Amino acid sequence: EDKVVQSPLSLVVHEGDTVTLNCSYEVTNFRSLLWYKQEKKAPTFLFMLTSSGIEKKSGRLSSILDKKELFSILNITATQTGDSAIYLCAVWGSGNTGKLIFGQGTTLQVKP
Amino acid sequence: GAVVSQHPSWVICKSGTSVKIECRSLDFQATTMFWYRQFPKQSLMLMATSNEGSKATYEQGVEKDKFLINHASLTLSTLTVTSAHPEDSSFYICSANRDGYTFGSGTRLTVV
Repeated sequence: EDKVVQSPLSLVVHEGDTVTLNCSYEVTNFRSLLWYKQEKKAPTFLFMLTSSGIEKKSGRLSSILDKKELFSILNITATQTGDSAIYLCAVWGSGNTGKLIFGQGTTLQVKP
Repeated sequence: GAVVSQHPSWVICKSGTSVKIECRSLDFQATTMFWYRQFPKQSLMLMATSNEGSKATYEQGVEKDKFLINHASLTLSTLTVTSAHPEDSSFYICSANRDGYTFGSGTRLTVV
């Protein structure tokens, strides 16, 4: 059965800290892994990772995929209160008709 | 970029009534759309895959007679929650895939 597991489930840090969020997966015919940030409404897209070992970066956020060990990490440096959100990891596998399988999410709270 | 529009953003209905939620791909054609449900402090759970011109594919445990899906055109999928009950209160989100997944803005359903 396809599965995506995120850790930790929740995290509280102070502004300026660096955080690392983890996502491990088991999926048939892996195609891509996606990271989303969800605040009050629908998730907003952060990264899509397809190839192993290539870091994707956007400002203070970066992510990398390891297809051998079946996991990905999302790093946020110099955290700000606006980074407080739920971070969702999802995997897209061609073996499941193209649907996304989501992890449980990591709830990040950044305190001033 | 790809845009998915979802309507309404929020709805309150009485127990026993039906509610229709629309999901439109605005600048591309989507033969497949996905419907998710999210309970508070939980991740997105896929309910069904909506297929243009054919029956939807429902995930295990999702009642197809209660959650009616219609995908009559290449840009519109609808989810109707029939005979809604308070336990159906949730956040419903649709998504479509073009070069990566795009989500609608979500619909907050409250059944009183």
